Amino acid sequence: EAQVTQNPRYLITVTGKKLTVTCSQNMNHEYMSWYRQDPGLGLRQIYYSMNVEVTDKGDVPEGYKVSRKEKRNFPLILESPSPNQTSLYFCASSSPRGPYYGYTFGSGTRLTVV
Amino acid sequence: GQNIDQPTEMTATEGAIVQINCTYQTSGFNGLFWYQQHAGEAPTFLSYNVLDGLEEKGRFSSFLSRSKGYSYLLLKELQMKDSASYLCAAESGSARQLTFGSGTQLTVLP
Repeated sequence: EAQVTQNPRYLITVTGKKLTVTCSQNMNHEYMSWYRQDPGLGLRQIYYSMNVEVTDKGDVPEGYKVSRKEKRNFPLILESPSPNQTSLYFCASSSPRGPYYGYTFGSGTRLTVV
Repeated sequence: GQNIDQPTEMTATEGAIVQINCTYQTSGFNGLFWYQQHAGEAPTFLSYNVLDGLEEKGRFSSFLSRSKGYSYLLLKELQMKDSASYLCAAESGSARQLTFGSGTQLTVLP
């Protein structure tokens, strides 16, 4: 089944403790991105990657890092999480060859930083 | 900058038709997506318009006017399961960045 897999689904952590949210897709998509979703603000892009070793900042990159060493994986790293990073996070992937098929989103990671 | 506007909430009755509007201002506009999102779940793809006009897909249709920076999603024969948030998103630039609106929460009443 074609899908984007995120882990974990839920995470509660303490301020300053480094964490990684994993994202993997099995559709051989070149394009992957991370979003955070907050009430009243909609989905905002954190980082995106157009292919292996090619990443760039989205609208709200502060406090986050990403890497794209393999085509299928695009982890999101919070080096020193803070309470304002409490949010619902989504990973998404797509292929430039098929924009009409849309972006496929992972199931989401609900992160709470205390 | 990029700006997407859509109503915050709408209510309609089962079996009725509802139109959700979206206006956008983006540079390097490529096309306009509509997604459906149930609470706490991932957005799911509904439609993508590149050219002006109406595209119909079953009970759902989407319209785009590039010159007016305007789109709408039309839902016919509403069902209770259509109660969800509907997200308008503009894709722009060679990097294909998506800018989302805040979403329209649709409630379908019996």
